[in-house]
Amino acid sequence: QSALTQPASVSGSPGQSITISCTGTSSDVGGYNYVSWYQQHPGKAPKLMISDVSNRPSGVSDRFSGSKSGNTASLTISGLQAEDEADYYCSSYTSSSPRVFGGGTKVTVL
Amino acid sequence: ELRLLESGGGLVQPGGSLRLSCAASGFTFSSYAMIWVRQAPGKGLEWVSGISNSGGSTYHADSVKGRFTISRDNSKNTLFLQMNSLRAEDTAIYYCAKTIGYYYYYDMDVWGQGTTVTVSS
Repeated sequence: QSALTQPASVSGSPGQSITISCTGTSSDVGGYNYVSWYQQHPGKAPKLMISDVSNRPSGVSDRFSGSKSGNTASLTISGLQAEDEADYYCSSYTSSSPRVFGGGTKVTVL
Repeated sequence: ELRLLESGGGLVQPGGSLRLSCAASGFTFSSYAMIWVRQAPGKGLEWVSGISNSGGSTYHADSVKGRFTISRDNSKNTLFLQMNSLRAEDTAIYYCAKTIGYYYYYDMDVWGQGTTVTVSS
């Protein structure tokens, strides 16, 4: 199963909004509402930020939001803060395997 | 507090074996599917293996199928990953993770700190 496609890096200034895309196919992202997003700081374990395309688990800031259009899912971070600097991974259910991850996007706060 | 603690990693020669363990606490272990995810040095996340809450159903990624076996002991709140015929490309940090449901395609909401496996001669 091929990994989902994410941009290698995205950057923004504090207070700005950024969006990270996650492109798959009709066999994964486009076919199911089972897209999730994980945040990973260096040397730390991943943290679930968004599940089922747009649901925020308890405790996750409402500055994080998710959406999907066709075969592309998106994670938007509003009011960018220094603590948001991390790697972000999308994940989707697929027709041929339980889960596949994207290649990851490094978010830099300028 | 929900907690997962991995152990069993280390240095092993190509072709060798290792058994990873993941001790769970703070939640009803037998109610949730569990997952192993790995991350090679400087690389992204890779979903490796999953097991249903009862242990009756498992799934392994193609990259490890036939070499790795996931299992669990619900009486001891422990998850395992038996890794055989190890290759250099299996070198990674291995994380165990709890899913939010009884099946392994669910999202992962609790993660361990990871255990490092290095395959090298």
